[in-house]
Amino acid sequence: DTAVSQTPKYLVTQMGNDKSIKCEQNLGHDTMYWYKQDSKKFLKIMFSYNNKELIINETVPNRFSPKSPDKAHLNLHINSLELGDSAVYFCASRTVSGANVLTFGAGSRLTVL
Amino acid sequence: DAKTTQPNSMESNEEEPVHLPCNHSTISGTDYIHWYRQLPSQGPEYVIHGLTSNVNNRMASLAIAEDRKSSTLILHRATLRDAAVYYCILVNYGGSQGNLIFGKGTKLSVKP
Repeated sequence: DTAVSQTPKYLVTQMGNDKSIKCEQNLGHDTMYWYKQDSKKFLKIMFSYNNKELIINETVPNRFSPKSPDKAHLNLHINSLELGDSAVYFCASRTVSGANVLTFGAGSRLTVL
Repeated sequence: DAKTTQPNSMESNEEEPVHLPCNHSTISGTDYIHWYRQLPSQGPEYVIHGLTSNVNNRMASLAIAEDRKSSTLILHRATLRDAAVYYCILVNYGGSQGNLIFGKGTKLSVKP
């Protein structure tokens, strides 16, 4: 049973296209995140949702729009893809109570040509 | 969240202990010390965390200096599967909202 699952694992697309990455967690967590890992391997938070409500929105172009239909899902939609969007995107989740420990998905590698 | 400093890389031999250091001289009294690791082509994985006392779990041990300005992650017997980038992160439970600030981490290589 995968705790945090992301689809697709790989995504290759052309500049200007719109694409989505989906994330689902079966841990019963109430907070979910999107992180971006660029080519230099730096991991940086993009968004955080708690019970379907946006609580963190770092400086991310508004071409990126997270959507949380329920607290088990946090999808990432990207409009008008640019070369610089090429990266690995990681979804993560945690529960508000207890230790502040994040569980990450395996990542979705986006390549924009 | 306060900053941490780690060596860029370390090497170890298989079956030997590994001590991964982390400096966090500006740590505040409410910052927890968390360690994550990222295996190749995988997402980060929680390893261990602590506040003041040393901690042990099935993956590793965490030794925290008395002044809390440094800590050491200890892998008791390194295996090839432990080759990964190890991140030391300070987390203030009250303010971070789970926003882990990752640095460059330490890339651990394990030689057979």
